[in-house]
Amino acid sequence: QKEVEQDPGPLSVPEGAIVSLNCTYSNSAFQYFMWYRQYSRKGPELLMYTYSSGNKEDGRFTAQVDKSSKYISLFIRDSQPSDSATYLCAMSDNYGQNFVFGPGTRLSVLP
Amino acid sequence: DVKVTQSSRYLVKRTGEKVFLECVQDMDHENMFWYRQDPGLGLRLIYFSYDVKMKEKGDIPEGYSVSREKKERFSLILESASTNQTSMYLCASRSGFSSNQPQHFGDGTRLSIL
Repeated sequence: QKEVEQDPGPLSVPEGAIVSLNCTYSNSAFQYFMWYRQYSRKGPELLMYTYSSGNKEDGRFTAQVDKSSKYISLFIRDSQPSDSATYLCAMSDNYGQNFVFGPGTRLSVLP
Repeated sequence: DVKVTQSSRYLVKRTGEKVFLECVQDMDHENMFWYRQDPGLGLRLIYFSYDVKMKEKGDIPEGYSVSREKKERFSLILESASTNQTSMYLCASRSGFSSNQPQHFGDGTRLSIL
């Protein structure tokens, strides 16, 4: 079993849809969770950074962590064509010794 | 904002050449990383450095070496380039010596080995 699993997509949605992107993981030592957005031919940029279980909201983006299920999600409300990108989840233990990226989900938002 | 700058966006080299990829960060971060990113394989860690002159092997160090003579600069070296090293190379930095802080990435160098 891979340490972090993520549906590779591609995922296509119409503009304005609510998008749900998900990752599952197996290592219970992970305490810090991140979502990165990567546009074509660019490096990943940090979108959300959360600690432990719960929700964090930033504009149209909400990150959700459920440590009991080892499951994290990123929700995008009112999706826009500019949200079309690959989204990578990432997670870290307390000391950054184990820092892992998911393989990424490619999202297309169609106008 | 953190700025991680990779010296080249695109690079074409020939097999057997020694190739240098340069990365500079402007936030005084202790940690720096080199990854390669390939379709279907995601991000794979090549080397990382916790501090100046310190380096640690990542998951796929074979065929690569690194140099960190100054805190802000981390270089990746392909000792004798081969076609299977054609890839997107990403540099990242992170604050803290042993840290759960997120990594910040440059825009990558797309390297082609002919």
